[in-house]
Amino acid sequence: EDKVVQSPLSLVVHEGDTVTLNCSYEVTNFRSLLWYKQEKKAPTFLFMLTSSGIEKKSGRLSSILDKKELSSILNITATQTGDSAIYLCAVVSNTGNQFYFGTGTSLTVIP
Amino acid sequence: KAGVTQTPRYLIKTRGQQVTLSCSPISGHRSVSWYQQTPGQGLQFLFEYFSETQRNKGNFPGRFSGRQFSNSRSEMNVSTLELGDSALYLCASSRDGWDSPLHFGNGTRLTVT
Repeated sequence: EDKVVQSPLSLVVHEGDTVTLNCSYEVTNFRSLLWYKQEKKAPTFLFMLTSSGIEKKSGRLSSILDKKELSSILNITATQTGDSAIYLCAVVSNTGNQFYFGTGTSLTVIP
Repeated sequence: KAGVTQTPRYLIKTRGQQVTLSCSPISGHRSVSWYQQTPGQGLQFLFEYFSETQRNKGNFPGRFSGRQFSNSRSEMNVSTLELGDSALYLCASSRDGWDSPLHFGNGTRLTVT
């Protein structure tokens, strides 16, 4: 059965800290991996990683895909209170034709 | 460009009733997916429509159904509501389904009493 596992489940850090969120997957015929940020309601898209694009960066956020280890990390440097959210990882398979989501990591940044 | 719009935002229903949720995708997006989000289970895939055809379906009972119209707008129906159906229902659209990211609406919060 295809599955996506995120760790840790929750994290509390102070402003300015650097955090690393993990996503591991067991998905047949991997196609892509995506990261989302969910603050109140709608998850918002952060990154999409594929075999041809295994590293993405946007400002203080960056993500790397390790296809050998079937995992990805999301790094956030110099965290701010506005980074407090649930971070979701999703994987798409060629055969399943759907997005498989992990249960998310809840990040709280304390001033 | 307008985002994904879901209506209504909140719904309170009683067990046994049925409910219809609506989703308008981003203009030009032909794929619409529905997800159920609960604190313990995370996002669970319900179904995906592309050009009015259901392409894929998750592991939900037949009480959950959907459809897509020619303008790509989609509706989801849940019949014979159960307490366990209380959740946030998220709709997401994308250009083609698998090679582009999903863009989510703000969801419909359904409470079944």
